[in-house]
Amino acid sequence: ETGVTQSPTHLIKTRGQQVTLRCSSQSGHNTVSWYQQALGQGPQFIFQYYREEENGRGNFPPRFSGLQFPNYSSELNVNALELDDSALYLCASSLGGAHGDTQYFGPGTRLTVL
Amino acid sequence: QKEVEQDPGPLSVPEGAIVSLNCTYSNSAFQYFMWYRQYSRKGPELLMYTYSSGNKEDGRFTAQVDKSSKYISLFIRDSQPSDSATYLCAMGPLASAGNNRKLIWGLGTSLAVNP
Repeated sequence: ETGVTQSPTHLIKTRGQQVTLRCSSQSGHNTVSWYQQALGQGPQFIFQYYREEENGRGNFPPRFSGLQFPNYSSELNVNALELDDSALYLCASSLGGAHGDTQYFGPGTRLTVL
Repeated sequence: QKEVEQDPGPLSVPEGAIVSLNCTYSNSAFQYFMWYRQYSRKGPELLMYTYSSGNKEDGRFTAQVDKSSKYISLFIRDSQPSDSATYLCAMGPLASAGNNRKLIWGLGTSLAVNP
């Protein structure tokens, strides 16, 4: 049990809608990374938050945005949903600093866009 | 050329077989290497990680890194049906607090261990 939790587990939205996904990091971890994993693909890095600041971003448009809160939990927001946004969204937490490279994943939120 | 290449399989073996899973990479800046296991419709689970060339063993699993060839492997001994999953390699440069860091992932290899 990694201690990383995500909500909701499943979500169905229609094209053009907005969605907010939530992640609670493992106790003591100050870094949260978000990934998108399409079926049959490896995870694709969306962005990372370290101590409430964005700490790097992958090749995703601005309609993907995020937040990290003082308790290090995090949100991923996606506006103007498109069909291709259907995927498993994964949150991973890590310790930060010299020991921060090992990321522990939550179970994911499966988003379906119709 | 992708930074990380991994044969997606599928790979099917009989129970008890030795399984070899591999990834190659092109970025010599990569210094840490991980193997994750992912069951269907679940998040990836960290199996092993290493920062150095050579072998690292944990139970039935052995991770091997050859930085000179830019090649990593995961060996599973005495494979079990419960090992049936997708195995993902992930790697990246060494990181320090406040710096941009992200894992670069392989596509994953689907493994089926048949009883």
